[in-house]
Amino acid sequence: QSALTQPPSASGSPGQSVTIYCTGTSSDVGAFKYVSWYQRHPGKAPKVIIYDVNKRPSGIPDRFSGSKSGNTASLTVSGLQAEDEASYYCFSYAGNYNWKFGGGTQLTVL
Amino acid sequence: QVQLVESGGGVVQSGRSLRLSCAASGFTFSGNGMHWVRQAPGKGLEWVSFVSYDGIIKNYIDSVKGRFTISRDNSNNMVNLQMDSLRVEDTAIYYCARFYGDDDKGYLDYWGQGTLVIVSS
Repeated sequence: QSALTQPPSASGSPGQSVTIYCTGTSSDVGAFKYVSWYQRHPGKAPKVIIYDVNKRPSGIPDRFSGSKSGNTASLTVSGLQAEDEASYYCFSYAGNYNWKFGGGTQLTVL
Repeated sequence: QVQLVESGGGVVQSGRSLRLSCAASGFTFSGNGMHWVRQAPGKGLEWVSFVSYDGIIKNYIDSVKGRFTISRDNSNNMVNLQMDSLRVEDTAIYYCARFYGDDDKGYLDYWGQGTLVIVSS
């Protein structure tokens, strides 16, 4: 049950786009369309920003988008804003009622 | 509004037990699966356990299988995590989270604020 692989850090300037990758295997990310992404600000509970690979919950701006190719899911944040600075985690179903998180990526807005 | 409030954390010696509880309100509790997720100091989020809406399906991360037991009480809107044979590496903040979706297809849409478990050697 290894965690999904995410880069520990990512950064971009305001207005730019940043993509965070989440690499799993053919048994988790590659096998199912149930990948979600969570944004976490310090001291706050995680907040879902993408579910089912590329769907946005109500209230999440369309600057956030998700996709998947093979065993790798990705989260793109377009038009970076200061408030996007946070930790981001991917979460994937891995079959047989198992789930996995990625290690998390700290996004810095320069 | 949906609220999840964890309790039961504390400091415990290695090998001992602790029982975490999560009180849910603001939604039809019996309609959602529930998860426990933890975050060790300086680490990322780690999925720990799941219980289905009816309490029938349960699963755990390998590292806690045989030591942790998840349960739910739909009459009292509670989900519990009985943690036995605790290890130093179980030290973490433990969060309960609501699973939104059908069966095993969904995502975590509401989280509690967490309860801290410290296991000392």
